Amino acid sequence: AQSVTQPDIHITVSEGASLELRCNYSYGATPYLFWYVQSPGQGLQLLLKYFSGDTLVQGIKGFEAEFKRSQSSFNLRKPSVHWSDAAEYFCAVVSNFGNEKLTFGTGTRLTIIP
Amino acid sequence: SQTIHQWPATLVQPVGSPLSLECTVEGTSNPNLYWYRQAAGRGLQLLFYSVGIGQISSEVPQNLSASRPQDRQFILSSKKLLLSDSGFYLCAWSKQGAGAGGYTFGSGTRLTVV
Repeated sequence: AQSVTQPDIHITVSEGASLELRCNYSYGATPYLFWYVQSPGQGLQLLLKYFSGDTLVQGIKGFEAEFKRSQSSFNLRKPSVHWSDAAEYFCAVVSNFGNEKLTFGTGTRLTIIP
Repeated sequence: SQTIHQWPATLVQPVGSPLSLECTVEGTSNPNLYWYRQAAGRGLQLLFYSVGIGQISSEVPQNLSASRPQDRQFILSSKKLLLSDSGFYLCAWSKQGAGAGGYTFGSGTRLTVV
């Protein structure tokens, strides 16, 4: 069965520092991968998605992610974080193309310190 | 443009009382619809999904049920709430046959069962 692992439950970085959030997937075929962000008490917003082609995808809010098939990874990066980036981040994979079910990782909570 | 509405935003209900959460989508037709639950400190768990009117699939056995009486309306219900039903409930939609498109989420309902 398809699965997504986010090994870091909580990450703290200083404002202006670089960020990398890890995501590993288990999927037999070429995956469709997503990163979502959730601010406290809010719904989820799509940051970026990967289908095929260029393995480095650009998203909103200055985020990017790189698909590495050899490592089964889709890590999210940002060169310089802002205090407003504090949120929970979820990696997800489409697990069924008939109903487009998304399987989510357990999330990584990002804290930004001044 | 497409929008998704979910209400109420917050709900406090006593144990044993009924529940009805509503989700509607505008600006699209024949969407896939989903209900997720997010318990405190945990990831997102898919509860139900629907690919058409009257078509409901349940992902996990539980005290809840879902219905889709109209194309763009998705309702989450319970006859008798349990304490364990507390959580953050999210509705989402996606285009059918467009698994690569990802989901659009509603803003969520915070349910507290007391």
